[in-house]
Amino acid sequence: DAGITQSPRHKVTETGTPVTLRCHQTENHRYMYWYRQDPGHGLRLIHYSYGVKDTDKGEVSDGYSVSRSKTEDFLLTLESATSSQTSVYFCAISAGLRNQPQHFGDGTRLSIL
Amino acid sequence: GQQVMQIPQYQHVQEGEDFTTYCNSSTTLSNIQWYKQRPGGHPVFLIQLVKSGEVKKQKRLTFQFGEAKKNSSLHITATQTTDVGTYFCAGTYNTDKLIFGTGTRLQVFP
Repeated sequence: DAGITQSPRHKVTETGTPVTLRCHQTENHRYMYWYRQDPGHGLRLIHYSYGVKDTDKGEVSDGYSVSRSKTEDFLLTLESATSSQTSVYFCAISAGLRNQPQHFGDGTRLSIL
Repeated sequence: GQQVMQIPQYQHVQEGEDFTTYCNSSTTLSNIQWYKQRPGGHPVFLIQLVKSGEVKKQKRLTFQFGEAKKNSSLHITATQTTDVGTYFCAGTYNTDKLIFGTGTRLQVFP
């Protein structure tokens, strides 16, 4: 498996609190992604990064922000968590944007009460 | 926005039976990828198809990309209990990122 570590693996928090999820890679891949996975929706892209300090929005970016200060780290922040953001969050990496496979981390299960 | 539709949503088969999942797009895809996610696990890349009409095989798995590059299928011959999981297709359009289908969840009964 690709060297991708997500932390934390599980988190329970309350509505209105800030939450930060971390993705760390050891593959030196340029592209990093954050997805959320919900029943009936498959994987939906939240944000992605194409280099240090270079990020762009995905299809479900509202309520989320990201930062990438180093090649190996990509952070996802929920500024004020809502119950609708309860989900499983996956980080992925790839060497290219369109014609390269994506390699996924083990996921973070986030529950917002 | 662009969507990749995948059917069926669920499939239950007896071990040894065949299984097929289908992926459809209303517009032409640049390429298509397939992933498998075991229960409780993360998606794992299986294969990528790029050319019109392309067919690729991995042991009991056969992947096809349609002539018009708008559809794809994954066929598993003689399913085994190790095939259990959710299979996702993911397509790329000319200038954009991967868009995942909603997945087909396969259950295999021994």
